Amino acid sequence: QSALTQPPSASGSPGQSVTISCTGISSGYNYVSWYQQHPGKAPKLLIYEVTKRPSGVPDRFSGSTSGNTASLTISGLQGDDEADYHCSSYEDKNNNVAFGGGTKLTVL
Amino acid sequence: QVQLQESGPGLVKPSETLSLTCSVSGGPVSSSNFYWAWIRQPPGKGLEWIGSLYFSGRTFYNPSLRSRLTLSIDTYKNQFSLTFFSVTAADTATYFCARLWWVRGYFDSWGQGTLVSVSS
Repeated sequence: QSALTQPPSASGSPGQSVTISCTGISSGYNYVSWYQQHPGKAPKLLIYEVTKRPSGVPDRFSGSTSGNTASLTISGLQGDDEADYHCSSYEDKNNNVAFGGGTKLTVL
Repeated sequence: QVQLQESGPGLVKPSETLSLTCSVSGGPVSSSNFYWAWIRQPPGKGLEWIGSLYFSGRTFYNPSLRSRLTLSIDTYKNQFSLTFFSVTAADTATYFCARLWWVRGYFDSWGQGTLVSVSS
């Protein structure tokens, strides 16, 4: 499947909300996930199946889709949210996985 | 809680073969719920899925890398491996192993990653 498109950068001030987009998802697709990656670290699962959060992930992080675009919204920005964010989609028919190029979030 | 740990050489010469192993602890690789995957990240770039395999030996490869890849799994040692043939400088990256929830399609556990440089 095709690679997904994310904006290379995003920014926001502490306390604000920011939304990161991921275009190229098949409309109605349910297997979208998001990962947070701090410098030099492994990615960490933030959102799976479009909207679900693993245990331990704050509800400040939320996911959604509209048409062929998935979105990650981070509300109440904190300094530790400064990281790279990657979206991913999964095609269950052939177990193929696609990632977006990643978005670097700066907390001003 | 499952933990994954990559191991392998940090430096490989161009045209040679790269071999990496991911050791899994805290859960069996033979679990029916999961595939086991390799993902890489060139310096300063995004993530790229390399391939996934099931404990039965069933494998799925990134079509762009398929011709140079072999994935294998050892349920007795509880580990899985990546063999990458004819590497070039473009294969320089941090290589991660991860656990993939089958059908649900997300990676819930990751290794810390290992940097592999391809250089003469």
